[in-house]
Amino acid sequence: DIQMTQSPSSLSASEGDRVTITCRASQSINTYLNWYQQKPGKAPKLLIYGASTLQSGVPSRFSGSGSGTDFTLTINSLQPDDFATYYCQQAYNSPPVTFGGGTKLEIK
Amino acid sequence: QLQLKESGPGVIKPSETLSLTCSVSGVSFNSSTYYWAWIRQPPGKGLEWLGTVYYTGSAYYTPSLRSRLSISVDTSKKQFSLRLTSVTAADTGLYFCARFLQMGLSDALDIWGQGTTVTVSS
Repeated sequence: DIQMTQSPSSLSASEGDRVTITCRASQSINTYLNWYQQKPGKAPKLLIYGASTLQSGVPSRFSGSGSGTDFTLTINSLQPDDFATYYCQQAYNSPPVTFGGGTKLEIK
Repeated sequence: QLQLKESGPGVIKPSETLSLTCSVSGVSFNSSTYYWAWIRQPPGKGLEWLGTVYYTGSAYYTPSLRSRLSISVDTSKKQFSLRLTSVTAADTGLYFCARFLQMGLSDALDIWGQGTTVTVSS
């Protein structure tokens, strides 16, 4: 199975900062990579699919890039609502489906 | 408006069989452009994909649970269900149902249920 490794596992930042989260796949997954945001006790929300396409309704301060094995999620000008946990998920030749371990973004 | 809603027992005893149902509303259940999934999240941990089912009934499972897990569909009721046998405390967590949409470059989980908490305890 394809393993997904996210880094960092946690991150502290301030409102207005720019942050980058990294996701690495154990083998090439082309651009079959999605990003989700999850708040405590809530269902995850799809942010980006196909590595770089913004889901409808998601603010443009979110962006994704990468292909093959290395991917990044960037959030520009952090807003209070952005403090949450972020997961990457690969859908290459799925099923099976695998998620990264998550990155918890906290307020500094 | 597309909605998914999980239902289940809440608390279940060790060694028993867990049954959860996801009810789908606001969209056709029978489509080749999307399919259905169960995902769980142990307390304080990350997301774990459990399995996927198509409206035809074809299902795929995560290897670690393949011997205990089955997922089925009832198209007449617009529901899909999870059945997990011989549960232990390790099966405690928040269980989500979700829709996998074929989005061109990558199939993605675009709609999720609110989740249902399952506690395995004697």
